[in-house]
Amino acid sequence: QKEVEQNSGPLSVPEGAIASLNCTYSDRGSQSFFWYRQYSGKSPELIMSIYSNGDKEDGRFTAQLNKASQYVSLLIRDSQPSDSATYLCAVRGGNFNKFYFGSGTKLNVKP
Amino acid sequence: ETGVTQTPRHLVMGMTNKKSLKCEQHLGHNAMYWYKQSAKKPLELMFVYNFKEQTENNSVPSRFSPECPNSSHLFLHLHTLQPEDSALYLCASSPQGGTGNTIYFGEGSWLTVV
Repeated sequence: QKEVEQNSGPLSVPEGAIASLNCTYSDRGSQSFFWYRQYSGKSPELIMSIYSNGDKEDGRFTAQLNKASQYVSLLIRDSQPSDSATYLCAVRGGNFNKFYFGSGTKLNVKP
Repeated sequence: ETGVTQTPRHLVMGMTNKKSLKCEQHLGHNAMYWYKQSAKKPLELMFVYNFKEQTENNSVPSRFSPECPNSSHLFLHLHTLQPEDSALYLCASSPQGGTGNTIYFGEGSWLTVV
C-alpha cells in the first residue's frame, strides 16, 4: 500500500471553475499535510499546509483535512491557465524527517 | 538568493564516469534530503541526513554515494551509473522536527546518463 495516494489525472477544468484535488494517506500518526505545485521541468513549490481537521483558506486555495477519513483535499477557486501544473500531496509521517509524496495530479485549466 | 541551491543544473555523463551533485541550503535547517524524480513517476526518497548523520537510505544502489560534511551541504557522488538513472535529482531541506515544519526543494539537477 502506498503511503500517499492521488489520482494521476489529468483533471481538466475550464477557466474560472473550481478544481478539486484529492489525496488519501495511510499513516494515522501523520500530523502535517502539504500541497506542492510542480510546473513541468521545475521543482515542487509549497502552496499550502494544514495540520488540523477542517478547512484552511489562502487566497484562491482551500485545503481540507479529515484525519478520521485520512483524507486531504485542495480546492482551487477561479482556476486560471497559470494553475496548470502537477499538484503533489505530501504527508509528514510520525518520523518527523520522513515526508511521503503522492504521485501527483496533473491539472489542465482550459482558457 | 534561493534557500536551497543545487549544482550543476544539468549533467550529462557516460556510464564509466564519476561525477558529483552538490547541494547547499541557506535556511539554517538541520535535515537534508535527496529525492529522485523520473519521468511519469512519483518522487522517490533516496537519502535523509539529520544533523549531518544519515538516518535514511531507501535501498539505493551503491553507485549513488551521499556525503554530508555539515548541516548546510549535501553531495551525491555518482559512479558507473546506468541509463535508467537518468532523472531529475532534487535536494531538499527542512528544520528538525516540529509539526509545522515543511520541506523546501532546490531547483534540481537534471542528469542524463549516456
